[in-house]
Amino acid sequence: AAGVIQSPRHLIKEKRETATLKCYPIPRHDTVYWYQQGPGQDPQFLISFYEKMQSDKGSIPDRFSAQQFSDYHSELNMSSLELGDSALYFCASSLGTSGSTDTQYFGPGTRLTVL
Amino acid sequence: GQNIDQPTEMTATEGAIVQINCTYQTSGFNGLFWYQQHAGEAPTFLSYNVLDGLEEKGRFSSFLSRSKGYSYLLLKELQMKDSASYLCAVMDSNYQLIWGAGTKLIIKP
Repeated sequence: AAGVIQSPRHLIKEKRETATLKCYPIPRHDTVYWYQQGPGQDPQFLISFYEKMQSDKGSIPDRFSAQQFSDYHSELNMSSLELGDSALYFCASSLGTSGSTDTQYFGPGTRLTVL
Repeated sequence: GQNIDQPTEMTATEGAIVQINCTYQTSGFNGLFWYQQHAGEAPTFLSYNVLDGLEEKGRFSSFLSRSKGYSYLLLKELQMKDSASYLCAVMDSNYQLIWGAGTKLIIKP
């Protein structure tokens, strides 16, 4: 079965640079979630989109922005990168209306290292 | 505030049974999820409980008591590949997942 696809899988950037992470949800899934997970920590919710509109916002820094496109893929744009942004970034997708309890399925993640 | 508690680490023996507990206090409740996460990998969905009782899925079972704000994940016939972190997550009234810190399960031969 098709799963959530994320690219790139690994990314190395320097401080103050920008990065763009991409997420392709499971086919027919219309909701996308972005999470940040530091070493030994639980996933921290950043932002979610349903039907190309932002549906919820978590602890996403102002330096980050995201959007969901007409084909339901999503991109997380990160600017003015800081050392503390080094983490695993997961995208998850689900099928359902806004406010749904549908299960979130996670992509393999993008490991971002900021030097 | 919202809070999910689960043990930080547990150790069990291959072939045995282990129960990982999770207690929660959240603003509203729209279900409880268990995920398995191997180091450096994505969380993998294991189970979803929204009604009280036991849900069995092969070697894994999950139990929920909404009145007690309590759930457990039961793993039977433990295998070495079950060594991983097990994350309890509750969906609150805003349909946002609130995550526990995870329980690192170590399986010994």
